[in-house]
Amino acid sequence: QKEVEQDPGPLSVPEGAIVSLNCTYSNSAFQYFMWYRQYSRKGPELLMYTYSSGNKEDGRFTAQVDKSSKYISLFIRDSQPSDSATYLCAPFSGGYNKLIFGAGTRLAVHP
Amino acid sequence: NAGVMQNPRHLVRRRGQEARLRCSPMKGHSHVYWYRQLPEEGLKFMVYLQKENIIDESGMPKERFSAEFPKEGPSILRIQQVVRGDSAAYFCASSRGTGEETQYFGPGTRLLVL
Repeated sequence: QKEVEQDPGPLSVPEGAIVSLNCTYSNSAFQYFMWYRQYSRKGPELLMYTYSSGNKEDGRFTAQVDKSSKYISLFIRDSQPSDSATYLCAPFSGGYNKLIFGAGTRLAVHP
Repeated sequence: NAGVMQNPRHLVRRRGQEARLRCSPMKGHSHVYWYRQLPEEGLKFMVYLQKENIIDESGMPKERFSAEFPKEGPSILRIQQVVRGDSAAYFCASSRGTGEETQYFGPGTRLLVL
């Protein structure tokens, strides 16, 4: 079993749709749950992160963590064509540690 | 406030040559991580370095790959005797090293081995 499993997509939605991106993980030691966005041929850009269980909202983006089921979600409201990218989840145990990435979900938002 | 810098952005090598990839961390950051992204695959951790120290190299291939982060200058990822399977995007990330360990990524170096 991989440490982090992520739906690979691709996911294609119309502009304005609500998007749900999901990951599952296996390591109970993970405490931080990072979401990175990667545009084509660019480096990953930190979008947001949460600590432990719960929700965190930042503009149109909401990150949600359920540690009991080891399930991570990122919701995008009112999706825009500029949101078209690959979204990478990366649970993290904190401190001086490597990130373990999911495979990434490729999202396309069409006008 | 300059971000993580990587050069070259693109590198073409023939089989058997050496590749040197450079990474300058963000200002104020003293920890560097290298990741590799193979075509159609996710990012995989390779090595974690602090100044003059390799902390975790559990993701580095056993042969031909080495990394350093000298007291002065950028971090270097070195691949000797490259093979076609080394073709990938190599990303460097840096963090402060003060306990707040959010990692910020550079634009990557795309290595193509002919």
